[in-house]
Amino acid sequence: EAQVTQNPRYLITVTGKKLTVTCSQNMNHEYMSWYRQDPGLGLRQIYYSMNVEVTDKGDVPEGYKVSRKEKRNFPLILESPSPNQTSLYFCASSLRWGVSEAFFGQGTRLTVV
Amino acid sequence: SQQGEEDPQALSIQEGENATMNCSYKTSINNLQWYRQNSGRGLVHLILIRSNEREKHSGRLRVTLDTSKKSSSLLITASRAADTASYFCAGGVGAQKLVFGQGTRLTINP
Repeated sequence: EAQVTQNPRYLITVTGKKLTVTCSQNMNHEYMSWYRQDPGLGLRQIYYSMNVEVTDKGDVPEGYKVSRKEKRNFPLILESPSPNQTSLYFCASSLRWGVSEAFFGQGTRLTVV
Repeated sequence: SQQGEEDPQALSIQEGENATMNCSYKTSINNLQWYRQNSGRGLVHLILIRSNEREKHSGRLRVTLDTSKKSSSLLITASRAADTASYFCAGGVGAQKLVFGQGTRLTINP
């Protein structure tokens, strides 16, 4: 089954404690992206990747890092989380970003206290 | 920056009625996509209409695109309780961006 898998689904952490949200897709897509979703602000792109070792900033990259060492994985790293990063995060992949349909993971609800 | 603006923000109708949601965007797009999101879950792709298309159908869904007005609409016919969800339009921009609107929350009352 074609899918994008994120882990964990729920995470509560404390300010400053580094964390990683994993994302994996099984469709051999070159394009992957991270979004955050906040009430009243919709979905905003954090980072995207067009291929292995190629990543670039989206609209809200501050406080986040990503890596793309393998085509299937695109982890999101918060080196020093802060309460304003409390949000619902989505990973997505696509054959051709912005041209073909995107597949989304089930989301990670992160709370930073 | 948000590109898509959706109207209405919330819509409540009776089961069996048709639901229409509108989306406007600001810049040139390759295509306009519609997604559905059930509460707190991932987005599911519904339909994609290319910039050179004016109308597209998929089951009970009908999408129109007017590039001169930079607007699109999504019509769901014969609505069902299971259609209750949030619906987002997203504009494909270049090869890197898929810019989402803030969504329309649709409630189907039995």
